[in-house]
Amino acid sequence: GESVGLHLPTLSVQEGDNSIINCAYSNSASDYFIWYKQESGKGPQFIIDIRSNMDKRQGQRVTVLLNKTVKHLSLQIAATQPGDSAVYFCAENRGGGNKLTFGTGTQLKVEL
Amino acid sequence: SQTIHQWPATLVQPVGSPLSLECTVEGTSNPNLYWYRQAAGRGLQLLFYSVGIGQISSEVPQNLSASRPQDRQFILSSKKLLLSDSGFYLCAWSRTGGDTEAFFGQGTRLTVV
Repeated sequence: GESVGLHLPTLSVQEGDNSIINCAYSNSASDYFIWYKQESGKGPQFIIDIRSNMDKRQGQRVTVLLNKTVKHLSLQIAATQPGDSAVYFCAENRGGGNKLTFGTGTQLKVEL
Repeated sequence: SQTIHQWPATLVQPVGSPLSLECTVEGTSNPNLYWYRQAAGRGLQLLFYSVGIGQISSEVPQNLSASRPQDRQFILSSKKLLLSDSGFYLCAWSRTGGDTEAFFGQGTRLTVV
């Protein structure tokens, strides 16, 4: 769920390295998860999603892993590029009404 | 293709003044519509969502209200702004049926002075 009052955690990686961004969710009834990327001053953009009947899903340079046992979600970005620098949010649909609840977010900084 | 328009991009308003932010969606019908607020350096908080014309659900008690006068129009309002209403407001839409991603507008940066 939300972590109101906390500043964004930051992950710094070297260009070309792989990035792993983690997210913990609290509601075991959540059945749909999304990762969003938000660049400064812009709205979030969809990256990849995963349903609760899956453990892993791959996209272009990105992989999402879902561990329902410990209610943990991760986003892996392969060969991180400067353009990947942004804030990344996980979002969960807690079932019914398609209302997405967002996590606090992680600031990804790519160092040259 | 579907597009979402949100305006204005930035807004500076005095305390006690009214507010009206507008959001429209094109290229789809009967979307779910959402208003989120994002404080600086923080996550997104769902304020309102709507599944149809005139149907508004409020997620948190606050100084704001929302209306949906047309299928693809969503308006965020306030009669008297507070300093704490400052933030980044995002409109979003999703297809009906659940378990689909939400598509966001570019946001409105509201500063109440």
